Amino acid sequence: DQQVKQNSPSLSVQEGRISILNCDYTNSMFDYFLWYKKYPAEGPTFLISISSIKDKNEDGRFTVFLNKSAKHLSLHIVPSQPGDSAVYFCAASEISSGSARQLTFGSGTQLTVLP
Amino acid sequence: NAGVTQTPKFQVLKTGQSMTLQCAQDMNHNSMYWYRQDPGMGLRLIYYSASEGTTDKGEVPNGYNVSRLNKREFSLRLESAAPSQTSVYFCASSEQQGLSYEQYFGPGTRLTVT
Repeated sequence: DQQVKQNSPSLSVQEGRISILNCDYTNSMFDYFLWYKKYPAEGPTFLISISSIKDKNEDGRFTVFLNKSAKHLSLHIVPSQPGDSAVYFCAASEISSGSARQLTFGSGTQLTVLP
Repeated sequence: NAGVTQTPKFQVLKTGQSMTLQCAQDMNHNSMYWYRQDPGMGLRLIYYSASEGTTDKGEVPNGYNVSRLNKREFSLRLESAAPSQTSVYFCASSEQQGLSYEQYFGPGTRLTVT
């Protein structure tokens, strides 16, 4: 039973346009969400995160939106660049008493930015 | 500052063989993690260590053991490898900062069990 779902395996966008990657979750105990970018043969690279006390977090070209009532988050990349072509993973973490957080990952979306 | 390093990068094992995957981090993080990634799937947590001296099971611990050797190093051992353990293995580390819990990943070990 997937608790974090990325329903679009792939997305193609023209360079300079907006890329919107979506993620849905089912566990209402999740309180922290992250996006990672992964290039082939490399480890995932942290991109941006958001706590459940916020509904938006922005970092340069990347913005993450959280809709808690819909259990949905999205990553916006504006403007998209060819170097953004990678697999994007959504991840979620639930409230924990300790400092370690178990991350639950979605299956990823392959973003291709066309020049 | 190398971040998270993993050895080896590639490994081929025969069914029943054993091996240890090594991971080290130089960021002085307390928490470390082992994940596996299979084709078409996200990463799944195998084991984690909240701090030196502690380890806990994740989502898919069967067939694996771990050792938190010291604050820097966290190893993953396959005692008797099976073809189902063919995967890419990632180590990660983290340190809570306020409300932030980002994990930082190593480059991965690609393991094939024949």
